Amino acid sequence: DVKVTQSSRYLVKRTGEKVFLECVQDMDHENMFWYRQDPGLGLRLIYFSYDVKMKEKGDIPEGYSVSREKKERFSLILESASTNQTSMYLCASSTISLSTDTQYFGPGTRLTVL
Amino acid sequence: DQQVKQNSPSLSVQEGRISILNCDYTNSMFDYFLWYKKYPAEGPTFLISISSIKDKNEDGRFTVFLNKSAKHLSLHIVPSQPGDSAVYFCAARPSGTYKYIFGTGTRLKVLA
Repeated sequence: DVKVTQSSRYLVKRTGEKVFLECVQDMDHENMFWYRQDPGLGLRLIYFSYDVKMKEKGDIPEGYSVSREKKERFSLILESASTNQTSMYLCASSTISLSTDTQYFGPGTRLTVL
Repeated sequence: DQQVKQNSPSLSVQEGRISILNCDYTNSMFDYFLWYKKYPAEGPTFLISISSIKDKNEDGRFTVFLNKSAKHLSLHIVPSQPGDSAVYFCAARPSGTYKYIFGTGTRLKVLA
């Protein structure tokens, strides 16, 4: 059973703080993803990593950075949190198979920036 | 520019009846499609997938249909159960990538 865990379920931070969201997967997946989910907007891709130390920008990377130092761990960093980054953050992982490609999601982190 | 659209934000269905959730896309280079179910305060759960070389895939109560000429995807749930009440997302993958583009979701409510 694939397991994707996220460090916090709920987080409250203040404007300007640096925020770290951690994601760990236990299935040796090569690909890892960070999304945010907002009402009426669905899931939007922030960043994507296809290997250790490799990253690629998604659709909304502004205000975010990522780190992947180990295969199982993918971190999302908000350098200076702002109120418009209040959202549900979802991490996902997948293996490198174009023929049977499924992303497995973590439980999400509900971030509130005050 | 929304490449994957779920035009119905919500849908209500009686228990035991069929639920049909729709998804339209604009990019003919999408080659793989997924459906996810999401409960509040949880991550999305994978339901069913379909490759662009097929037009139907079935898994228990869930069937996904793909009409490539119409660029339309639908998920059928038969029979619908109260536990199916959730938000459903469709997602499409551009050929040659591992990234998916998600729709905005449809909230399904199955009435007992």
